[in-house]
Amino acid sequence: EPEVTQTPSHQVTQMGQEVILRCVPISNHLYFYWYRQILGQKVEFLVSFYNNEISEKSEIFDDQFSVERPDGSNFTLKIRSTKLEDSAMYFCASSVTQGALIYEQYFGPGTRLTVT
Amino acid sequence: ELKVEQNPLFLSMQEGKNYTIYCNYSTTSDRLYWYRQDPGKSLESLFVLLSNGAVKQEGRLMASLDTKARLSTLHITAAVHDLSATYFCAAITQGGSEKLVFGKGTKLTVNP
Repeated sequence: EPEVTQTPSHQVTQMGQEVILRCVPISNHLYFYWYRQILGQKVEFLVSFYNNEISEKSEIFDDQFSVERPDGSNFTLKIRSTKLEDSAMYFCASSVTQGALIYEQYFGPGTRLTVT
Repeated sequence: ELKVEQNPLFLSMQEGKNYTIYCNYSTTSDRLYWYRQDPGKSLESLFVLLSNGAVKQEGRLMASLDTKARLSTLHITAAVHDLSATYFCAAITQGGSEKLVFGKGTKLTVNP
């Protein structure tokens, strides 16, 4: 069964450093998302991406964040200068729409980011 | 702005008992999702509810949707220890990219 994959599974970085989180969405999916979950809290939307551009972003997704689809398979989230409060689990998700067909978002296993 | 409220946030129950988790959402939404999350793991899709009166069942879990009341329920029948996890409901925003808005989750512990 196709699945969303994410690398690395765990990233430890120092405050102020840049990190890139990588995702490979399901191959025929068209919408891509990043969500984050601070430990013990709810899952929060960060950004959605469609047709090679951001379609929506949340207040959390400030100038320190960027997303890219550098090739036909990868979808990346970059944090330019990490802060302690960026420590969280980051989930990538993808979905497909085809006319009136039902779709849902499939989540990857997550990357745990720890900023020290 | 779409908001999703779940209750209870913590639920401790004995094996064999029944219980219901409630999920209210604040504005019209096309779809309502239920996810399960085990500690340190990703989100596993349980149910997608599409229309008013929709009811779906999988094993000991049954989910329903009342779009007029903006309420979804997740009913647990004869709980077993394996059901211990955190359960999230999420609603879809209409239009735009259809992002998911999650509730805070219900941490379910099933005791022998």
